[in-house]
This record gives sequence, C-alpha cells and structure tokens, in this order.
Amino acid sequence: AQSVTQLDSHVSVSEGTPVLLRCNYSSSYSPSLFWYVQHPNKGLQLLLKYTSAATLVKGINGFEAEFKKSETSFHLTKPSAHMSDAAEYFCVVSDRSGGSQGNLIFGKGTKLSVKP
Amino acid sequence: ETGVTQSPTHLIKTRGQQVTLRCSSQSGHNTVSWYQQALGQGPQFIFQYYREEENGRGNFPPRFSGLQFPNYSSELNVNALELDDSALYLCASSGTGSSTEAFFGQGTRLTVV
Repeated sequence: AQSVTQLDSHVSVSEGTPVLLRCNYSSSYSPSLFWYVQHPNKGLQLLLKYTSAATLVKGINGFEAEFKKSETSFHLTKPSAHMSDAAEYFCVVSDRSGGSQGNLIFGKGTKLSVKP
Repeated sequence: ETGVTQSPTHLIKTRGQQVTLRCSSQSGHNTVSWYQQALGQGPQFIFQYYREEENGRGNFPPRFSGLQFPNYSSELNVNALELDDSALYLCASSGTGSSTEAFFGQGTRLTVV
C-alpha cells in the first residue's frame, strides 16, 4: 500500500531564508508524488508533481522537490521564503503509477510559518 | 480559481440528519473525487466517480454515498450524521489520461452538532 509521512508538523523560517519540508514515501511500485499547498480558507493547489521523468522537479512559486529512491524521500525546498508562502503543505502519493491521478493519499501536512 | 465550485460553503446539521453536498466540475473534466479533511489532518479519499459510475472507494461506511450526473457534476450524500463527520469536504475534478492534474474546490465546511 502507498503512504507518505511528513516528518515535521510545523516549520518556522525567517523571510529570505531557505525552506525545507520533509516527506518520506512508501510505495510498492514506481510512485507518482505530488506536493499541494493549502492557504487558509482556500482550496488545495498543486505545487509540483513527480511522474518518473526527471528526479528534480520544479514547481510554481520557486519551489522544487527531489525524488530520491534510495532514501524514499521527496523533500520540498525553496531557496528564499516569502511571507506569502505561509500555508499548509501536503505531500501526496497516488495509488496509480505513471502520473495518472488515481486516488490521492495525503500526508498529515506541514504548517509553514514565515517570520518577517 | 480552479473552476471547481462547491455548495454550500458552510453547513450546520444535527446528529442523525442527512446532508447533500454539491460539486460542479471544471469544464471538460469527467472525473470527480471527494475527500474528507478533519481538523488538523490531511484529506482522506472518500470515493471517485468517472462517467457517472463509482470508480474507487476509500475506507468510509456505506452511509457515505454519491452520484455523478451527465454533465459530470456530483453530489456527496451522508446519512445518519455523526459528530465525527464534522470536517471540510473537498471535491476534485480531473480529466482522463496520464499526468492529469486534479483541481480542487474550496470545500464545504460541515459541522454536526
């Protein structure tokens, strides 16, 4: 069965400093992995997705994630945090391979706070 | 804006009652999925509809049921509401084919008292 574990429930950074949100996955086959962001009172927005192409995936708003099979990790990074990045971030695995959306399995989320 | 609209935005119901939540999918999308997001948790998959047929179901009891209409809009029905059903209910629509993205609505906040 597929699952994801987000290693931090809350991350706090200062504006302009790097962001690292950690995610480990478990999958019985080559996974499709995603990062979603949820701002307060707004729906979920796709940041980026890994579908077995390049292991370094670039997303919107300067975020990127690296798929590391040996470590079963898919950590989300951004070189410089902005105040508008404050939100809840979800690491997600699909129950289907090849990028087909299938049923999405969400982690518990990491709340990112950005201090001025 | 994703083009996925959900109604109502907020709802308060009494334990034991029934509720219907609605979702209009994005134009051109024929697949709708429903998720339940309890406070402080990630969304959990309830079920998915593809061309008016159920196409996968998560670990939810039968009192959670759904419909998809010919225009691909969808309803989520919950019978015999329990206090633990209080949550944000999210609808996502997507197209077919590989590498398709799911677009989420803003959700319906259900409170059961």
